[in-house]
This record gives sequence, structure tokens and C-alpha cells, in this order.
Amino acid sequence: EPEVTQTPSHQVTQMGQEVILRCVPISNHLYFYWYRQILGQKVEFLVSFYNNEISEKSEIFDDQFSVERPDGSNFTLKIRSTKLEDSAMYFCASTETGKTEAFFGQGTRLTVV
Amino acid sequence: KNQVEQSPQSLIILEGKNCTLQCNYTVSPFSNLRWYKQDTGRGPVSLTIMTFSENTKSNGRYTATLDADTKQSSLHITASQLSDSASYICVVSAQRAGNMLTFGGGTRLMVKP
Repeated sequence: EPEVTQTPSHQVTQMGQEVILRCVPISNHLYFYWYRQILGQKVEFLVSFYNNEISEKSEIFDDQFSVERPDGSNFTLKIRSTKLEDSAMYFCASTETGKTEAFFGQGTRLTVV
Repeated sequence: KNQVEQSPQSLIILEGKNCTLQCNYTVSPFSNLRWYKQDTGRGPVSLTIMTFSENTKSNGRYTATLDADTKQSSLHITASQLSDSASYICVVSAQRAGNMLTFGGGTRLMVKP
């Protein structure tokens, strides 16, 4: 069964460093999303992406964040200068055009030290 | 502001028993409501998706209800199994570009033998 895959599963980085979280959405899906979940808190929307541009973004998604679809399969989230409060589980999701169901990856646990 | 509230926050039941989880939302304009199951450290997995016109939807031992007038939903689990132990998250989608999902805080269910 097709699935959304995310790498790495766990990333530890020093404060101030740049990180890139990678996602491979399901192949025929055209809507892509990033969500995050701080430990013990709700899952929060970060950004949605369609047709090579951002469709919507939340207040969390400030200038430190960026997304890119560098090729036909990958979808990345970059955090330019990580802060301690960026430590969270980051989930990628994708949706097929015309459908409502979002399929989530297993997440990348980012730990900023 | 779009919000999704769930109750109870946590629940412990014995294997074989039934339980009902509650969700209230203030998301506008409403598009659909989903229930997800999330195992610890994993991505959410969809159980049901309900649109405005649907009152009840079943998926095996899971039955979701939706009252769009009162903006309430419930998830009923029958004949619980140990593998049902997880967080159950109510997620509401608004009719807007980007298809942003608003997550509830989840109900952490523990099924004991």
C-alpha cells in the first residue's frame, strides 16, 4: 500500500543550525502538508503546498521555515536557524487531488540541544 | 479562531468493553470531520471522514456520529481490544484553500486486560 515516507526518523541538532526534513509523498498526490506536534501538545498545522507554491501557512511558519519540492518526488521542510522550541515531531502529509483524506508519514522527531 | 476540543483527555477501560469519545468544534466554514488513531511516536491514521450531510459512519468496531447543528461528534468503540490503546484525535477541515486541518488534543485510551 502506498505510504508517505519521512527521513530521518530522528534528528538531533544544535541550536542555531539548519535542518532539512525530508518527505516523499504518495506518488499521485499533489497536495502536501507539514504539521508539527510538540511533546504532549496538539498537532499543529504549519503549511500546505500545491502546484509548486504555498497555499496556506500558519503563524508558526515564519521566516525561519521554508518548503521546497526540489524534484518530482521529494518535499522538504527547512528550518534555517533552529531554536530549542523547534523540538517536536514533524509530520508530512499528502492528499490526492479531489479527495479529502490526508495520509500522514511516521514523522521526524527533531531534538534541538 | 478555529478550535477542536475533545473529552475526556484520557480513559481507561477493560478489554471487551465499549467506550465513547466526544468532540466539539468551532471551525468555519465546515468541510469535513475526521477521526484519527495515533499510536505513540507514530503518524495519525485515518479512521473515518464525515461530511456535513453524514450523521453516522462506521469502520469495523468504530462508529462516528456527527451533529453539524450542535457541532459535535462522537467516536464509539465497541468490544475494545488491547490494540485499541492509542490516542484518538478529532480533526476538522475548513472549506478554504490549503485544506488546513485543525486538530483536537486527543483522547488517550488505554485498554487493560
